[in-house]
Amino acid sequence: AQSVTQPDIHITVSEGASLELRCNYSYGATPYLFWYVQSPGQGLQLLLKYFSGDTLVQGIKGFEAEFKRSQSSFNLRKPSVHWSDAAEYFCAVGSIYSGAGSYQLTFGKGTKLSVIP
Amino acid sequence: EAGVAQSPRYKIIEKRQSVAFWCNPISGHATLYWYQQILGQGPKLLIQFQNNGVVDDSQLPKDRFSAERLKGVDSTLKIQPAKLEDSAVYLCASSFDSPSSYEQYFGPGTRLTVT
Repeated sequence: AQSVTQPDIHITVSEGASLELRCNYSYGATPYLFWYVQSPGQGLQLLLKYFSGDTLVQGIKGFEAEFKRSQSSFNLRKPSVHWSDAAEYFCAVGSIYSGAGSYQLTFGKGTKLSVIP
Repeated sequence: EAGVAQSPRYKIIEKRQSVAFWCNPISGHATLYWYQQILGQGPKLLIQFQNNGVVDDSQLPKDRFSAERLKGVDSTLKIQPAKLEDSAVYLCASSFDSPSSYEQYFGPGTRLTVT
């Protein structure tokens, strides 16, 4: 069964500093990988996704992530953090549900990001 | 484009009571998901529908949880009777499921507190 590990429960960075959130996955086949963000009281919003092709993917809000198969990682990065980026970030691996043409997500436990002004 | 709608946003009940949550997916999305998100954890899939049929309910505690999606559009998740450990945010998501896009769109969630 697939699984996702986000080693950092809570990260604090200063506004303007760079950010990297770690994600490691376990999955038997080529994974579909996602990063979602959740602000307090809100649902999850997709930041970016990796299905195939270029291992460096660009997302919304200036985020990017790099898929490294050899390390089973999909780390999220941003060169300069804004105070509005404070939220909880979830990494997820998607597996195709055979016969249904849809897929299922397995989420990590999340990393809470705090931003110091 | 309207997003995934959920109601109520908040609910407080006592243990052993029953509760129901409603979800209206994005128009045209065939697949609907219900997730449970316990505080400090990532969302966990409870049940997945495609149109009005159940695709996967292997993680749904069927002794107390039930869900339906009549007419393949909106859906209801029910808990009866509730336990303290059911306190969580219940998220609904939907997806269009074309080969070029498997993105799931999430609603704002219903926060359930069981006392």
